[in-house]
Amino acid sequence: GEKVEQHESTLSVREGDSAVINCTYTDTASSYFPWYKQEAGKGLHFVIDIRSNVDRKQSQRLIVLLDKKAKRFSLHITATQPEDSAIYFCAATGGNNKLTFGQGTVLSVIP
Amino acid sequence: AQTIHQWPVAEIKAVGSPLSLGCTIKGKSSPNLYWYWQATGGTLQQLFYSITVGQVESVVQLNLSASRPKDDQFILSTEKLLLSHSGFYLCAWSLVWGGAEDTQYFGPGTRLLVL
Repeated sequence: GEKVEQHESTLSVREGDSAVINCTYTDTASSYFPWYKQEAGKGLHFVIDIRSNVDRKQSQRLIVLLDKKAKRFSLHITATQPEDSAIYFCAATGGNNKLTFGQGTVLSVIP
Repeated sequence: AQTIHQWPVAEIKAVGSPLSLGCTIKGKSSPNLYWYWQATGGTLQQLFYSITVGQVESVVQLNLSASRPKDDQFILSTEKLLLSHSGFYLCAWSLVWGGAEDTQYFGPGTRLLVL
């Protein structure tokens, strides 16, 4: 089945800088790649997604890139703010329609 | 607007005792429903999904069962809790199964501690 590897377990950036979180996946049939944000003790909040028919998507300060050849996708948060601090999860929907998550990245934005 | 509610918010239970966790979705008709488990500090693992009332598919067993008694309700249960059941249980819904618009939206979760 699908395996999703999230490369940064922790990430610290200064407020105003950009943060980049990288994920790789194994199933070539995967076509949908959402990102979620989890604040301490809370449920997951959907932030942005990308589908396999495009290689870039932007929503305000969030940019997602998808490289299908390398089976890699990434979340870029520009002009980071302290409220961006949270755990970010990448995920992929494989050929079996199951959503598989990465291990999570703890992002700390230092004021 | 759709809302997703999970109950209880948190539970402390004894090993060997029964458990029932609930999830209700309001504002969406015939959603696909999912149960996930998250170990403390860990990733999420899908446990069950349901496309329609009365039908539940198991993804990972973990000595748990799930039922969908109503269109807007999903129940997770076990008759005998294990220590390994501790963690955070999340319910999610999506609109389309296997289609392009299959974003899953999560509830606030139930924290379970088994002692």
